[in-house]
Amino acid sequence: GAGVSQSPRYKVTKRGQDVALRCDPISGHVSLYWYRQALGQGPEFLTYFNYEAQQDKSGLPNDRFSAERPEGSISTLTIQRTEQRDSAMYRCASSLAITGELFFGEGSRLTVL
Amino acid sequence: GIQVEQSPPDLILQEGANSTLRCNFSDSVNNLQWFHQNPWGQLINLFYIPSGTKQNGRLSATTVATERYSLLYISSSQTTDSGVYFCAGYGGSQGNLIFGKGTKLSVKP
Repeated sequence: GAGVSQSPRYKVTKRGQDVALRCDPISGHVSLYWYRQALGQGPEFLTYFNYEAQQDKSGLPNDRFSAERPEGSISTLTIQRTEQRDSAMYRCASSLAITGELFFGEGSRLTVL
Repeated sequence: GIQVEQSPPDLILQEGANSTLRCNFSDSVNNLQWFHQNPWGQLINLFYIPSGTKQNGRLSATTVATERYSLLYISSSQTTDSGVYFCAGYGGSQGNLIFGKGTKLSVKP
């Protein structure tokens, strides 16, 4: 596609529910990143993939968070048993080359009640 | 450690004024990028600038990699320039893009 596409754009869920956030990167982009951004803060790294391989997941806060990119294109970030502190904007980004220019999607705003 | 530091944290300008935003980064950071987060929350690419100077309209950026800093120049500022400016660089062998805390710019009419 023309840009990085994320869905849903907005998600409201109840505490304890699982959520899945989807990212469709720019066609042909090798690297895919997930970030989380709280209000008034900068983006915080969660994890990234080169092709289908998860290269670094050191930023995932705990084991309730997981991500996959099984075919090296679309990626899903899953949060299990959501908590109120998980409320934030979740941003996906992709780049054509490893350590290349990164392009961000519009983000998925998650609210946990 | 891996660090990306921005200054100033806040900046208020009158429309038409010029400004310079600074980004200092540690030894293990490279391939600097500048982003603008507009008041609607969109993160917009401004420059991918590992080294050298680039210009795009009223904006230009310079990265001096050997001295570990980058500068973003905004000339003849407009109210639409308001928002938060982030610089970010890849952190050595880890490959993740590390963001500074940003400079919040407010341009008054």
